[in-house]
Amino acid sequence: ETGVTQTPRHLVMGMTNKKSLKCEQHLGHNAMYWYKQSAKKPLELMFVYNFKEQTENNSVPSRFSPECPNSSHLFLHLHTLQPEDSALYLCASSTYRGLVEKLFFGSGTQLSVL
Amino acid sequence: GEDVEQSLFLSVREGDSSVINCTYTDSSSTYLYWYKQEPGAGLQLLTYIFSNMDMKQDQRLTVLLNKKDKHLSLRIADTQTGDSAIYFCAERISMNTGNTGKLIFGQGTTLQVKP
Repeated sequence: ETGVTQTPRHLVMGMTNKKSLKCEQHLGHNAMYWYKQSAKKPLELMFVYNFKEQTENNSVPSRFSPECPNSSHLFLHLHTLQPEDSALYLCASSTYRGLVEKLFFGSGTQLSVL
Repeated sequence: GEDVEQSLFLSVREGDSSVINCTYTDSSSTYLYWYKQEPGAGLQLLTYIFSNMDMKQDQRLTVLLNKKDKHLSLRIADTQTGDSAIYFCAERISMNTGNTGKLIFGQGTTLQVKP
């Protein structure tokens, strides 16, 4: 248990559906991240939030829409996805201690787009 | 540019040493990390090394850093079946806002440990 909880664990959706992924951390961290994990490809940073402000959008298509209402919660809203968006979506939060930044990851949401 | 590369697969026998290699491109990286991902789980931090060090040892884990060649390795001594997992190398890139950085990860190396 890392203190970062993601729901749902699995999600199957059609290309016309709208769904949301949720992430919650109770570690007191100020930064939260969305990563996309596809087989045999580098882990891909999607969005970074620092103190609820988005500080990084890594050229992510607009069909992915993040929301960070407070430092403990992060959402990823999905609409009109494509089959190539099927992947494991990982949420992480981080703490910054003495110049070392450590990321704590959730278990991910395995997304399948049909 | 920001790029981290690893080989995709490594197979070893139980009791042998495993060496997982990684190359990175950003010479300004201050910290480099190794994360482990077990099946059905997220990534967990295994160890990290500061860029002004060339070696760090932590029980069965040894991290070697060659900053000139931008090469990082993770050695696992006496590899056990429980070490079977995906191992990710990452470098930290500083961002413009505050102290937050972003971690750039490689593709991950799947370590298979045969009994």
